[in-house]
Amino acid sequence: AQSVTQLGSHVSVSEGALVLLRCNYSSSVPPYLFWYVQYPNQGLQLLLKYTTGATLVKGINGFEAEFKKSETSFHLTKPSAHMSDAAEYFCAVSKKISNFGNEKLTFGTGTRLTIIP
Amino acid sequence: ETGVTQTPRHLVMGMTNKKSLKCEQHLGHNAMYWYKQSAKKPLELMFVYNFKEQTENNSVPSRFSPECPNSSHLFLHLHTLQPEDSALYLCASSQARVAGGHETQYFGPGTRLLVL
Repeated sequence: AQSVTQLGSHVSVSEGALVLLRCNYSSSVPPYLFWYVQYPNQGLQLLLKYTTGATLVKGINGFEAEFKKSETSFHLTKPSAHMSDAAEYFCAVSKKISNFGNEKLTFGTGTRLTIIP
Repeated sequence: ETGVTQTPRHLVMGMTNKKSLKCEQHLGHNAMYWYKQSAKKPLELMFVYNFKEQTENNSVPSRFSPECPNSSHLFLHLHTLQPEDSALYLCASSQARVAGGHETQYFGPGTRLLVL
């Protein structure tokens, strides 16, 4: 079974400070890993994803994440927080669930990021 | 704008009502999904459709009835719901790959449902 743990349901950082959102996963097969962002009253938007290859993945809005197999982690970082980064962030892991190639996303419980002016 | 639209965006219904949620994707994808997002809980996969055929039902109560008439449209028919069904219902689509490789799911903005 797959699972995702996001440490910290709420994270607050000052504008301009480093953003670090933690994600640990459990997977019986090499994982596909994702970070999604959800702004208030909106759906989920893909920030970045890891499938294979380079373990440092760059996404939109200056975010990046590093896949560390030995630590089963996929933490999300951004060097300098901006007010517009305030949102809820979800880490997810996927696995194939059908012969058609469908994948099931298993999400963490989310981390709400607040930016302090 | 992700290319996945959902209507209505907000819905209030009584427990005896019947209503439907609609999802449409403009991405040419072959797979569509319904997810439920409740407060304080992770997103839960409800149903998966591939080429209009249902390939996954994640033990969803029968008061939720999905319909996928074609690869671009997905409905969720609701009847005799309970207050605990109040949640944000998200639709997603993807290009599932039989030969392997990875798919990315693109989400709509969701329908916020309140059951009174």
